Amino acid sequence: SQTIHQWPATLVQPVGSPLSLECTVEGTSNPNLYWYRQAAGRGLQLLFYSVGIGQISSEVPQNLSASRPQDRQFILSSKKLLLSDSGFYLCAWSVRETQYFGPGTRLLVL
Amino acid sequence: AQSVTQLGSHVSVSEGALVLLRCNYSSSVPPYLFWYVQYPNQGLQLLLKYTSAATLVKGINGFEAEFKKSETSFHLTKPSAHMSDAAEYFCAVKRGSNYKLTFGKGTLLTVNP
Repeated sequence: SQTIHQWPATLVQPVGSPLSLECTVEGTSNPNLYWYRQAAGRGLQLLFYSVGIGQISSEVPQNLSASRPQDRQFILSSKKLLLSDSGFYLCAWSVRETQYFGPGTRLLVL
Repeated sequence: AQSVTQLGSHVSVSEGALVLLRCNYSSSVPPYLFWYVQYPNQGLQLLLKYTSAATLVKGINGFEAEFKKSETSFHLTKPSAHMSDAAEYFCAVKRGSNYKLTFGKGTLLTVNP
């Protein structure tokens, strides 16, 4: 069966510091991968999606970037965090129309 | 463009009462529709999905939803609420290629004893 992992589960970072969140999927090959952000009262916002290694599409211009160095690994990064980057970050995968979500990472930027 | 509207950001029911969470969609093509549930500090879990087969879709935890094309609706129901159903519920529609989804803003369900 398929499993999706995200780490860390919780992160507190100062403004201006770098960020790296990791997502890995097990039990499937060549999945579509997605990064979402969930801010309080603002629903789910799709940040990036990827259909293959090295192929990244950005939904919203912002302070973040994404990379897919391996088939089942998806990384969300920032060089300098802003206060507005705080939120709950969710990774998801799909091979057809249904997306399956990871447990999320809670990021607090102070 | 595909979109969804969830009517009611917060719904409160008594334990044992009917749960009805409303979702209306807009789609220029036959839609794929989804309901997800999110418990506090957790990821989203798929409850059920409609992919142009049977219009009444049964999901996990006793939930079901009916696709009504004439009403452009995909409301989520459960006959008898349990305390464990308290969570946030999201309706979503597939949009475009690469299987991206557009989510509604969510409905927070509170179950009172």
